[in-house]
Amino acid sequence: DQQVKQNSPSLSVQEGRISILNCDYTNSMFDYFLWYKKYPAEGPTFLISISSIKDKNEDGRFTVFLNKSAKHLSLHIVPSQPGDSAVYFCAALGRAGANSKLTFGKGITLSVRP
Amino acid sequence: KAGVTQTPRYLIKTRGQQVTLSCSPISGHRSVSWYQQTPGQGLQFLFEYFSETQRNKGNFPGRFSGRQFSNSRSEMNVSTLELGDSALYLCASSRIYSYEQYFGPGTRLTVT
Repeated sequence: DQQVKQNSPSLSVQEGRISILNCDYTNSMFDYFLWYKKYPAEGPTFLISISSIKDKNEDGRFTVFLNKSAKHLSLHIVPSQPGDSAVYFCAALGRAGANSKLTFGKGITLSVRP
Repeated sequence: KAGVTQTPRYLIKTRGQQVTLSCSPISGHRSVSWYQQTPGQGLQFLFEYFSETQRNKGNFPGRFSGRQFSNSRSEMNVSTLELGDSALYLCASSRIYSYEQYFGPGTRLTVT
């Protein structure tokens, strides 16, 4: 049973436009969420995170939005650049026990067209 | 500051053999986690170690094991390899009380 879902396997966006990557979760015990970016032949790189006490966190071109009632979060990249082309993983964790490990979605492949 | 290092980067083994992978965390990081990445499955959590103790474990068979040394370096071992164990094995380290994990480049294991 997948607790973190990234239902769209891929997304293609024109350079300069907004990229919106979506993520849904089912475990109500999750209270911290992270996005990672992964290039081929490299390990994932931490991008941005958000705590469940917030509904938005911004870092430069990257903004993460959290809708707790819908158990949904999204990553917005504005403006998108060709160098943003990578696989993006959404991850979540809770505070204790089995929930205190990072649970990842399957990833979304983002392609930014020049 | 040096990042997380993993050795070897690539490995080819035969079914039934065993393998040991190594991970050196970022200096000062005491928590080390291991993940398996396969096409279509994303990253699946194997286990986490902190101060030489396994703190959390994923849903993998007992053929997968790990340990952590006093210098925080970690190893994972897979015994009796199966074809389905072919994957990218990623190690990540983090500071105490931090949610943010920093990943190494991974070890690509191919089982033939």
